[in-house]
Amino acid sequence: QKEVEQNSGPLSVPEGAIASLNCTYSDRGSQSFFWYRQYSGKSPELIMFIYSNGDKEDGRFTAQLNKASQYVSLLIRDSQPSDSATYLCAVNMFETSGSARQLTFGSGTQLTVLP
Amino acid sequence: GAVVSQHPSRVICKSGTSVKIECRSLDFQATTMFWYRQFPKQSLMLMATSNEGSKATYEQGVEKDKFLINHASLTLSTLTVASAHPEDSSFYICSARAEPGTSGGFSSYNEQFFGPGTRLTVL
Repeated sequence: QKEVEQNSGPLSVPEGAIASLNCTYSDRGSQSFFWYRQYSGKSPELIMFIYSNGDKEDGRFTAQLNKASQYVSLLIRDSQPSDSATYLCAVNMFETSGSARQLTFGSGTQLTVLP
Repeated sequence: GAVVSQHPSRVICKSGTSVKIECRSLDFQATTMFWYRQFPKQSLMLMATSNEGSKATYEQGVEKDKFLINHASLTLSTLTVASAHPEDSSFYICSARAEPGTSGGFSSYNEQFFGPGTRLTVL
């Protein structure tokens, strides 16, 4: 059973539109959530992390977390062609000892922003 | 901050060669480093978790005798692909994580920072 699920896409949006990327996770004990961007042939780059219910905004990016529904999303406003990449959702859960487990990654959503 | 380097960035070698990849955290102490492998158009696959000064923990299906991991210091982990074969050709990526409070308050929620990756091609 996959622990982190993402729609693989591809998701296409026109330039200037809002891109909405969704992610669900199965472990209700998960405590922190990350969005990474990966350009083709490159390694992942951290965009944002969120740990509290609600919205967290950083420039054109907004992460949304709903722990009751076990989903986390990423909104990209005013999408640009340079935003075209694969977006990876990752989930982290702390062990009872307080040390963090490794991240569990979703398979990624491929986003294409059309000029 | 949060810079992770990997060396080399690209390796082309003959079958049977052993290949060593270095992963370094440049501006923080990485108590834990992770090694991933990614095949074309596929997601990241965690191979192993290494903690400084202890043996690495390998994921199911990853041969520990083939993928040798050494995390000798808080800033360096190495992955050695022993006797590489064409099926080992892949994109190998390391990531590093700092425990809260160990790098000047820099990492609060255990986010991982990735190196640029090493593309291995075994002929």
